[in-house]
Amino acid sequence: QVQLVQSGAEVKKPGSSVKVSCKASGGTFSTYGINWVRQAPGQGLEWMGGIIPMFGTPNYAQKFQGRVTITTDESTRTAYMELSSLSSDDTAFYYCARDGTIRGSYDYWGQGTLVTVSS
Amino acid sequence: QSALTQPRSVSGSPGQSVTISCTGTSSDVGVYNFVSWYVHHPGKAPKLMISDVSKRPSGVPDRFSGSKSGNTASLTISGLQAEDEADYYCCSYAGSYTFVFGTGTKVTVL
Repeated sequence: QVQLVQSGAEVKKPGSSVKVSCKASGGTFSTYGINWVRQAPGQGLEWMGGIIPMFGTPNYAQKFQGRVTITTDESTRTAYMELSSLSSDDTAFYYCARDGTIRGSYDYWGQGTLVTVSS
Repeated sequence: QSALTQPRSVSGSPGQSVTISCTGTSSDVGVYNFVSWYVHHPGKAPKLMISDVSKRPSGVPDRFSGSKSGNTASLTISGLQAEDEADYYCCSYAGSYTFVFGTGTKVTVL
């Protein structure tokens, strides 16, 4: 059974960076996509970016270009999402999700990581 | 990459059917048959309900169905049940392994 386990909640200062991890167990890691989705308070789901580990090149939403970096470590079956230049608008739950078809079918999700940006 | 447009809310009585629309553009919904739908209950991770416009993953009740016409995809919930009350989101492939979510729809069971 596939499981995605994310790192714990974070509290960050404005202007700083946060790095959230997503460790996969079960199934194949390299051939499926790992995508990052966030939900700010009172807002909807927002796609941030994704990567297919075997290809290695991430793709990002225009909104986050230059501020987000998505990487994977195949040896530990872990994906990472780093977001820099944080502001209060980045306070949100951040989810990783496995794309089981490489066509946007997010069939397994992490439990979510709350990132709070506050001075 | 603007969010796909969904109605803010839809409602129905138990046993009725409701349909949620998801309107995109000729750069996403209109050109790719890669639209998925998710249900999101507060405090939980979203759950895949429909993939590739109309495919139901194992374990999803056949009360849920998806379709697409032009730039608009739709999710229909037939035989509405109390536990269907939640937020629903569509998501479309937009080329070059990028995706866009819809604005979200709150389904209320009266």
